[in-house]
Amino acid sequence: KAGVTQTPRYLIKTRGQQVTLSCSPISGHRSVSWYQQTPGQGLQFLFEYFSETQRNKGNFPGRFSGRQFSNSRSEMNVSTLELGDSALYLCASTGSGTDTQYFGPGTRLTVL
Amino acid sequence: AQSVTQPDIHITVSEGASLELRCNYSYGATPYLFWYVQSPGQGLQLLLKYFSGDTLVQGIKGFEAEFKRSQSSFNLRKPSVHWSDAAEYFCAVGRRMEYGNKLVFGAGTILRVKS
Repeated sequence: KAGVTQTPRYLIKTRGQQVTLSCSPISGHRSVSWYQQTPGQGLQFLFEYFSETQRNKGNFPGRFSGRQFSNSRSEMNVSTLELGDSALYLCASTGSGTDTQYFGPGTRLTVL
Repeated sequence: AQSVTQPDIHITVSEGASLELRCNYSYGATPYLFWYVQSPGQGLQLLLKYFSGDTLVQGIKGFEAEFKRSQSSFNLRKPSVHWSDAAEYFCAVGRRMEYGNKLVFGAGTILRVKS
């Protein structure tokens, strides 16, 4: 089985722009979770989607949003980018009965 | 609130020596516990997990971890470290998928291996 894929792998944006990141889960997995990783704050949970519905949300401002499509692929969007949004964004997928999150390689976002 | 503490930010061990990385958690119910490893610029790779049953769990790459409920700990061990084990290690606590997937991670421990 193919693993979790994330595109793009690297992004450079400027302050005020918006960005969309994509995540394709492992085939058959219906849950997709997103995390932000920074040197200062570590790994923090953003949100989780299951069957196209947001099921959990972390403590991030409304500029961070996401969605999930019927094929379980997920996107997250960050609007009005700030310098502090520079981070590695990781997505993870979970299959029914596994209770285990499998992570993708991440998207490295740099905000200038 | 759930929390995970990894007391050691950096650990340096000699190749061939044994390794123990510490992890303490705070969780109101029976936790699901995980250890992940991350190489620079990469995603997280699952090393092992504990849900229930035998408190000593085996993982990939020769790693094992022991769940001690009385100490709220889930320490990771390896009897003989290889240079390729140099990476950052994260302990995480979660719960059953049906209650929603959210992992709470520790701050990580960077492992350096000296030859």
